[in-house]
Amino acid sequence: GAVVSQHPSWVICKSGTSVKIECRSLDFQATTMFWYRQFPKQSLMLMATSNEGSKATYEQGVEKDKFLINHASLTLSTLTVTSAHPEDSSFYICSAPDETGGLGYTFGSGTRLTVV
Amino acid sequence: DQQVKQNSPSLSVQEGRISILNCDYTNSMFDYFLWYKKYPAEGPTFLISISSIKDKNEDGRFTVFLNKSAKHLSLHIVPSQPGDSAVYFCAASPGTASKLTFGTGTRLQVTL
Repeated sequence: GAVVSQHPSWVICKSGTSVKIECRSLDFQATTMFWYRQFPKQSLMLMATSNEGSKATYEQGVEKDKFLINHASLTLSTLTVTSAHPEDSSFYICSAPDETGGLGYTFGSGTRLTVV
Repeated sequence: DQQVKQNSPSLSVQEGRISILNCDYTNSMFDYFLWYKKYPAEGPTFLISISSIKDKNEDGRFTVFLNKSAKHLSLHIVPSQPGDSAVYFCAASPGTASKLTFGTGTRLQVTL
């Protein structure tokens, strides 16, 4: 089946630095990628929707200058957390919808970001 | 504004019995509903889905029921197994390939 490869699976960075998270669709093309964030014991909250070749659409309350999303190709979407702060520590997950007319979504394995 | 809610944060069920997880939504535009199982620090695992044109979908031990008039859906797992212990999220979407809105999650523990 469809697979979305997400890297890194975990990262620890210092406050003020930037971190890039990659999601690659394997064996299929993803024109859309959804980026979610999950704080401990909370739900998955949609941050933004990335679209290949165009600007990402951000959900209300999500700072687009802090969470830079790039979807430069049909198989790669990246999320860069810029000037990371401890409050950005969270679990970030990407997801690509089935674009063949099916009803499924393929999720990455997630990235645990810890900002110290 | 939590459009999808799971009012039970946790549920404990004995092995072999039925687990019933509930989910309520408020957005009438939601047309497609999914259930996911999730472990900490992992991506969600898809379990079962249902579109709004149906009121029931079954797949093995998992059955999802949808009551559109009540804006309520439930997941039944029978028989429950210890390996089912995890956090379960319901999710809703206005259509295919659209963004998912997740519920708040229910932690299921299946005891021996």
